[in-house]
Amino acid sequence: AQSVTQLGSHVSVSEGALVLLRCNYSSSVPPYLFWYVQYPNQGLQLLLKYTTGATLVKGINGFEAEFKKSETSFHLTKPSAHMSDAAEYFCAVSRNSGNTPLVFGKGTRLSVIA
Amino acid sequence: DVKVTQSSRYLVKRTGEKVFLECVQDMDHENMFWYRQDPGLGLRLIYFSYDVKMKEKGDIPEGYSVSREKKERFSLILESASTNQTSMYLCASSSSGQGVDEQYFGPGTRLTVT
Repeated sequence: AQSVTQLGSHVSVSEGALVLLRCNYSSSVPPYLFWYVQYPNQGLQLLLKYTTGATLVKGINGFEAEFKKSETSFHLTKPSAHMSDAAEYFCAVSRNSGNTPLVFGKGTRLSVIA
Repeated sequence: DVKVTQSSRYLVKRTGEKVFLECVQDMDHENMFWYRQDPGLGLRLIYFSYDVKMKEKGDIPEGYSVSREKKERFSLILESASTNQTSMYLCASSSSGQGVDEQYFGPGTRLTVT
C-alpha cells in the first residue's frame, strides 16, 4: 500500500533562510506526488505536483521539489523563507496510477522567525 | 475560478444527533472526497465518489455515510454523532482525466460534538 512519511512535525526557520521540508513515500506503482499548503483556518491549496517527465518541479510562491526515485523522496524547498510561508504543509502520493484518492502525510508545520 | 464550498465553517452538535455536512463544487468534477483532519494524524479519507449515486469507502468509514444525488453535491452524514467525531472535515473534488488530477479543497467544517 502507498504511504507517505514527513520527517519533522514542526520545522522552524529564520526569515530569509532555506526552507527544507522532507517527504519520503512508498509506492508499488510509479507515483504521482503532490505538496499542499494549508494556511490557518483554510482548506488545502496545491503548491506543486509531479506526474512524469522532469524531476525538478516548480510550484507557486517560489517553492520547488525534486523527485528522486532512488531515494523515494520528494522534498520541498524554498531558497529564502518569508513570514507569509508560515503554514502547514502536506505531502501526498497517488494510491494507484489512475485517478484515485491521495494518501497524505501527517503534515509539517513551518514557523518562520523574524 | 474553481470553487468548493462547504455548508458551515463551524458546527456544534450534541451526542446522538444526526449531522449533515454538505459540499458543493462548481467545476463539473466527477470525483468528490470527504476527509477528516486531526492534529498529528494528517488527512484521513472517509468516503469518496466517482460519479452520481456511486460511493466508495475510504480508510475510516465507520460511523459515517454519504450521499451523492447530484454531480455537484456530496453530503457526509453522521448517523449518530459521538464525541470522537469532533474534528475538522474537508471536502475535495477532482476531475477524471488522464493521470491523476489535483484535488481542490473546500475551507473545511470544524465540528464539535458535545
